[in-house]
Amino acid sequence: GENVEQHPSTLSVQEGDSAVIKCTYSDSASNYFPWYKQELGKRPQLIIDIRSNVGEKKDQRIAVTLNKTAKHFSLHITETQPEDSAVYFCAASSAGSYQLTFGKGTKLSVIP
Amino acid sequence: DGGITQSPKYLFRKEGQNVTLSCEQNLNHDAMYWYRQDPGQGLRLIYYSQIVNDFQKGDIAEGYSVSREKKESFPLTVTSAQKNPTAFYLCASSTGGGRDQPQHFGDGTRLSIL
Repeated sequence: GENVEQHPSTLSVQEGDSAVIKCTYSDSASNYFPWYKQELGKRPQLIIDIRSNVGEKKDQRIAVTLNKTAKHFSLHITETQPEDSAVYFCAASSAGSYQLTFGKGTKLSVIP
Repeated sequence: DGGITQSPKYLFRKEGQNVTLSCEQNLNHDAMYWYRQDPGQGLRLIYYSQIVNDFQKGDIAEGYSVSREKKESFPLTVTSAQKNPTAFYLCASSTGGGRDQPQHFGDGTRLSIL
């Protein structure tokens, strides 16, 4: 089955700096890669996703890049703000699959 | 998402007791999922259902059971066979038959042992 590794497990940045979280996946057939943000005690919320026919996707301060050859994808947050502080999860889904396999999460702290 | 309702928010289980967690969605989604979240472990899939009256085991199904008698409901029972049930349980749903589609989560149920 699919295996997703996520790094780093914790990340601290100064307000206004950029943050990058990286994930690798094992199944070359995976074609859907969402990212979720989870604030303490709350539900995970989808913030951006990308499919394997696209190399990069942006939404305001958030971007995701995908390298299919290397089987890794990354989340980039620019101009970080204190409200970006949360746990971020990456996930991968194989083609035609109902299952998402999640990484173990990255706790991002943005220091004012 | 306001369309997925989990109850109760907190639940306590006594030794040897089965408990049932409720998940209801009004999004008309075909697929529904149950995840367990432990600190530092991410989300692990317990069971999922693609359509009514059908469900499949996920990665950690032992000690759990589900039913899908209605499209909008997917209850999870934590049985006495689950020896370490303390965790945060999340229900999710997705559309388009579920394949390669975003999953939307409920607010979760926190289960503890008395």
